[in-house]
Amino acid sequence: AQSVAQPEDQVNVAEGNPLTVKCTYSVSGNPYLFWYVQYPNRGLQFLLKYITGDNLVKGSYGFEAEFNKSQTSFHLKKPSALVSDSALYFCAVRANTGGFKTIFGAGTRLFVKA
Amino acid sequence: NAGVTQTPKFQVLKTGQSMTLQCAQDMNHEYMSWYRQDPGMGLRLIHYSVGAGITDQGEVPNGYNVSRSTTEDFPLRLLSAAPSQTSVYFCASSYRTGSHPLAKNIQYFGAGTRLSVL
Repeated sequence: AQSVAQPEDQVNVAEGNPLTVKCTYSVSGNPYLFWYVQYPNRGLQFLLKYITGDNLVKGSYGFEAEFNKSQTSFHLKKPSALVSDSALYFCAVRANTGGFKTIFGAGTRLFVKA
Repeated sequence: NAGVTQTPKFQVLKTGQSMTLQCAQDMNHEYMSWYRQDPGMGLRLIHYSVGAGITDQGEVPNGYNVSRSTTEDFPLRLLSAAPSQTSVYFCASSYRTGSHPLAKNIQYFGAGTRLSVL
């Protein structure tokens, strides 16, 4: 069965500092991995994905994520946080075996202080 | 392009009432899904569809029915609402085919339906 763990309910960081939002996953076979962001009272928006290839994936708004197969992790990173990055971030996983079932983590709230 | 449209935005039901949450997409996406979002539990998959006429259960399907008679529409039915179904519901759609390699696997979400069951 697929599962996603986001171990931190909230991450606090000062504006201009680097940020990391953690994600680990479990899936049979090779994973498709995703990060989505949710702003208040909105639906989720796609940030980036890992399907295959380079382990470092770059996405929207300066975010990037690193796929680590041995640690089954897909942490989201940004070199310099902005106050406008404050939002709820979700990691998601899907098996690449042809199904479409996508499982989301519980979410991590990012708070960037000016 | 309206994207993914969900109606209604808000709904209050009494226990035992039935209702249908509507979801429509105009992007000709093959895949559509319903999720519920609850505090501390993230998004949980209720049902999903890989094309017209094909549906399957997700993580939490009990109490919900779906059908997919057209590519565009994927309604979610609550047959007999319970307070445990109080939640925010999101519909999402995605390409499946390889003709859109960059967009494939990316889900596009509606704005959500906030449901309260009293």
